[in-house]
Amino acid sequence: DAKTTQPPSMDCAEGRAANLPCNHSTISGNEYVYWYRQIHSQGPQYIIHGLKNNETNEMASLIITEDRKSSTLILPHATLRDTAVYYCIVPAYNNNDMRFGAGTRLTVKP
Amino acid sequence: DTGVSQNPRHKITKRGQNVTFRCDPISEHNRLYWYRQTLGQGPEFLTYFQNEAQLEKSRLLSDRFSAERPKGSFSTLEIQRTEQGDSAMYLCASSLFQGGYTFGSGTRLTVV
Repeated sequence: DAKTTQPPSMDCAEGRAANLPCNHSTISGNEYVYWYRQIHSQGPQYIIHGLKNNETNEMASLIITEDRKSSTLILPHATLRDTAVYYCIVPAYNNNDMRFGAGTRLTVKP
Repeated sequence: DTGVSQNPRHKITKRGQNVTFRCDPISEHNRLYWYRQTLGQGPEFLTYFQNEAQLEKSRLLSDRFSAERPKGSFSTLEIQRTEQGDSAMYLCASSLFQGGYTFGSGTRLTVV
C-alpha cells in the first residue's frame, strides 16, 4: 500500500467546510484513494474514493491533485455528527485488504 | 438489506478460555474481512475471504486464531486460549469490490 500521511487532529466550526488533507506521494498510477470515517464506538464507514478525477457524492467531495500525490476530503457543511476519525487509504492495486493508519481526528465545534 | 451483523456485541471472558465471534455479511457480497482494533489505533487487517476461500492472513493472526466461512456466507472467528493482549474490538466487513467495504459494529472482547 502507498504510505499516507494525515494530520493527527483538526477542528472545524459547525456549518463550515471541513477540508481534510492527505499526502500519498508514493501512489502508483492504478491505485485508488479511499476515505473512510469512524465515529466513536462504531465500525468504519466508507465515504468516497477516486482515481484521478475529482469525485462528489452525498457525503463529501474528493479533490485529487493533478500529480495524484495528495488529496483533500471536503465536508461542505460540517455538523456535530461529522465528529469522527477520518482515514485516507491507498491500497496497492489488486491488494485484498485496506490498511488503516491513525487517521485524522476531526472535531466539529458548535 | 440489514448491513453487516456481528454477534455478540460484547464478550467478557477469562484468560485461557476460547471465544467465537460471528459475522453475517451483506448477502450479495462475496468478499469478507476481519480486522482488530485496539484503543486509539486504526483497524488492523487480520484475514480475507473470497466466497469460502481464505485467501490472505496477516502475521497478526497467530495459531490461536482461526477463521472460517463455510459455504461462503457467514463467517466465524475463533480465539483459543485467550490472553489479555487479545482484548480489542473485532470488526468484520464485506464488499463486492476492492475498497468499498461495509463494516459491522464490531464485537468488543475483554479478557480478564
